[in-house]
Amino acid sequence: SAVISQKPSRDICQRGTSLTIQCQVDSQVTMMFWYRQQPGQSLTLIATANQGSEATYESGFVIDKFPISRPNLTFSTLTVSNMSPEDSSIYLCSVDVVTSGSYEQYFGPGTRLTVT
Amino acid sequence: GEDVEQSLFLSVREGDSSVINCTYTDSSSTYLYWYKQEPGAGLQLLTYIFSNMDMKQDQRLTVLLNKKDKHLSLRIADTQTGDSAIYFCAETRGNTGKLIFGQGTTLQVKP
Repeated sequence: SAVISQKPSRDICQRGTSLTIQCQVDSQVTMMFWYRQQPGQSLTLIATANQGSEATYESGFVIDKFPISRPNLTFSTLTVSNMSPEDSSIYLCSVDVVTSGSYEQYFGPGTRLTVT
Repeated sequence: GEDVEQSLFLSVREGDSSVINCTYTDSSSTYLYWYKQEPGAGLQLLTYIFSNMDMKQDQRLTVLLNKKDKHLSLRIADTQTGDSAIYFCAETRGNTGKLIFGQGTTLQVKP
């Protein structure tokens, strides 16, 4: 398995500002993912972050709004830029762990963001 | 399409079995997962099944996969109040790691 931590766990931000969320894993992983869970909703993938390359964004998400860094195999950041109330969500990072040929995907505890 | 669908709510009595159902549309799905989310918490990986399997059992959890009908179910035996949570099924394709989630099923366990 993998132990994942995120900082901050929650924040309340004013519209127009930016927030950077950190994700730390206790082991080296190739693939890290960032998801968004809007209030009362399911999870939607924002982007895939691989070390040494640009993040790959899903339809509806752009780099200018959600810049991502992946400086090494245990760490990634997601920035939510120029925030509006519609960005109020839980943001979760996840990692793929390959064990005995199987893919297990583990999630961090999430960052609960409220934009006022 | 990318739809994964679940019923939204299930209520059972403590000690009964719970069965949560999920349907998906992509026949190329390689792994199917079940996650549990308790209020205010992140997602806990409960179990998963590879697409070439029909069944997987792990203690109180049984996963059944009907690939022909693209139907996945999670059975929780002897359901306890601590099992009350939202349960998400998710599928992944190939080696992309991308997960497509269902809407989540809220399981309510009555004492």
